[in-house]
Amino acid sequence: GEDVEQSLFLSVREGDSSVINCTYTDSSSTYLYWYKQEPGAGLQLLTYIFSNMDMKQDQRLTVLLNKKDKHLSLRIADTQTGDSAIYFCAEGYTGTASKLTFGTGTRLQVTL
Amino acid sequence: GAVVSQHPSRVICKSGTSVKIECRSLDFQATTMFWYRQFPKQSLMLMATSNEGSKATYEQGVEKDKFLINHASLTLSTLTVTSAHPEDSSFYICSAPPQIAVGNEQFFGPGTRLTVL
Repeated sequence: GEDVEQSLFLSVREGDSSVINCTYTDSSSTYLYWYKQEPGAGLQLLTYIFSNMDMKQDQRLTVLLNKKDKHLSLRIADTQTGDSAIYFCAEGYTGTASKLTFGTGTRLQVTL
Repeated sequence: GAVVSQHPSRVICKSGTSVKIECRSLDFQATTMFWYRQFPKQSLMLMATSNEGSKATYEQGVEKDKFLINHASLTLSTLTVTSAHPEDSSFYICSAPPQIAVGNEQFFGPGTRLTVL
């Protein structure tokens, strides 16, 4: 089966960079996603990366993908208190209606 | 990004009653929608795939007679929790992939918090 693992908790100071890590086991995934969930809310798509890419940068967000090690990371530059949330990585596959497999989620706490 | 809505956002019901949750894609059509449930401090668990014009596909361990899914149109899917019990209390979230999506991304509704007394 597919397992997607994340560390449970990360605490950073405001202004520092945050790095959230994700490991997965299914090498056939086509896309890898990062979603943000604030308390009591749905999931907000932050960014995604195609599996043949190594890196993608989008404003404060940088995604790194090491396909050999099946390791995905999300770096948030200049972390703000509004970034406090739970972050989920997810695997997706070819086909517009393919289901996603979610990671266990990482709670990011930003302190002053 | 595309917008997906859910209604209601929160519902409290008595044990034994049925509850219907709606998921709508507001500015795009979705032949497929997904229903997830999320327990506190846990990840999302896929319950079923809702298909417009055909039967839903349920994940292993999910009772199809308990969680009725109807994909009535290209913009609406409903999940009905029948004869709800306290253990059905959870956060239910739907998602929909647009028919044309560059990164095969899915857009999520804001979720429905169900509490069964």
